[in-house]
Formats: sequence, structure tokens, C-alpha cells
Amino acid sequence: SQQGEEDPQALSIQEGENATMNCSYKTSINNLQWYRQNSGRGLVHLILIRSNEREKHSGRLRVTLDTSKKSSSLLITASRAADTASYFCATEKSGGSNYKLTFGKGTLLTVNP
Amino acid sequence: GAGVSQSPSNKVTEKGKDVELRCDPISGHTALYWYRQRLGQGLEFLIYFQGNSAPDKSGLPSDRFSAERTGESVSTLTIQRTQQEDSAVYLCASSLTPGALNTEAFFGQGTRLTVV
Repeated sequence: SQQGEEDPQALSIQEGENATMNCSYKTSINNLQWYRQNSGRGLVHLILIRSNEREKHSGRLRVTLDTSKKSSSLLITASRAADTASYFCATEKSGGSNYKLTFGKGTLLTVNP
Repeated sequence: GAGVSQSPSNKVTEKGKDVELRCDPISGHTALYWYRQRLGQGLEFLIYFQGNSAPDKSGLPSDRFSAERTGESVSTLTIQRTQQEDSAVYLCASSLTPGALNTEAFFGQGTRLTVV
């Protein structure tokens, strides 16, 4: 089953509005990461939050992590048309020697000018 | 190299032929991942290498798929007897040793495989 599940699957907002995307996961993790993908090619890393952290900021991005609920959220403030992309969460599992990075299905964000 | 490099960028092959996809990770990255992404879908995990070993190959869809890594560097994903359902973008990523402080993955631009 999918480790990370984002919701919503698609989000359409106006430029200047905030966008919030959520991610839920199932197993214990070392960290959770958010990535962005334009045009179905390579992903770009946005931000990493460790399991002992609750909130992290990077520019217009704010990520929260609630390990008790096994969920995370990504907030993009003051969105721009250039933020239009697919956003994925990924989890690095903890325990053992298998650290594979597992991705969710993504949220397609459309920011309308 | 400066980033993760994948070749070829695009590959069109006839059903039943074998294909090899190549990934050159960032130098010094011990972890290497292969993912498959069908059009409009998420990333499907295929295999993960730590050094030259594959602790997790659970995502390989069938025995037609295999992968190897040598010299803790280049990796090759081989698909034998390709089928139309193999058509997808195959993405490779590398990272420093997982469990370390900074384990962000760096992705290549992918190989778009089309089986006709």
C-alpha cells in the first residue's frame, strides 16, 4: 500500500492565495520530505522535516509534522502562477537497514493569474 | 558530475525488445533509487541500492525487470521483452547515506520509454 498519500489530489487557487496540501503516512519515519515536479520530469527537493521536528520554514513554504497522527502539511503562502506544479511528499522509513524513500501520489496545484 | 544524469532521455522500442536505461548518480551518493511514473500518476518505487547492494527490490513489477549497480556509481535498469504497459517515465534519484542528517534525493530528468 502507498506509504504517503497526499490530499487533495488537485487544487486550483488564485494568485496571492495560500495553498495547503496534506500528506498522511503509515509507518514510523526518520524524516518526511516535500518535492515539486514540473511537466512530468525530474523532481526538485523543497524541504525536509525530521521526525523530532514539528514545524519548518523555507521562504514562502511552511511544513508541519504531527507524528502522533502520522501526517504532514505543506503551506505555500502568497502563491504565484510559477508555483503551478505537482507536489509530492516522501517518507524515509525508520528502523532496519531499508531506508527506501517512498512517495505519495501527489497534489496537482494550479495557480491562476 | 554536477547532477544525476539519465540516458537516453527518450526511448521508443518495439514490443518484445529489451531495453537498458542508465543512471549516473552524483559522485559520493551511496543511495540510488529507481522509480516509474505513468502519465498523470505518482512515483512507483522499483528498487533501492545502498552501495552496490539492493536491500529492497520489492517494487520490480515482474521478472522481466532487473537492475544492477557497479562501483557504487552507475546503475542500469533492464527491461526484457518489453510490453506496452511498460511505457512510462523512469526516474532515477541518488542521495547521501540514508539516516544521515541530509538525505534529500536528487533526481535525474528521467527516461521516457514508449513501447509500440
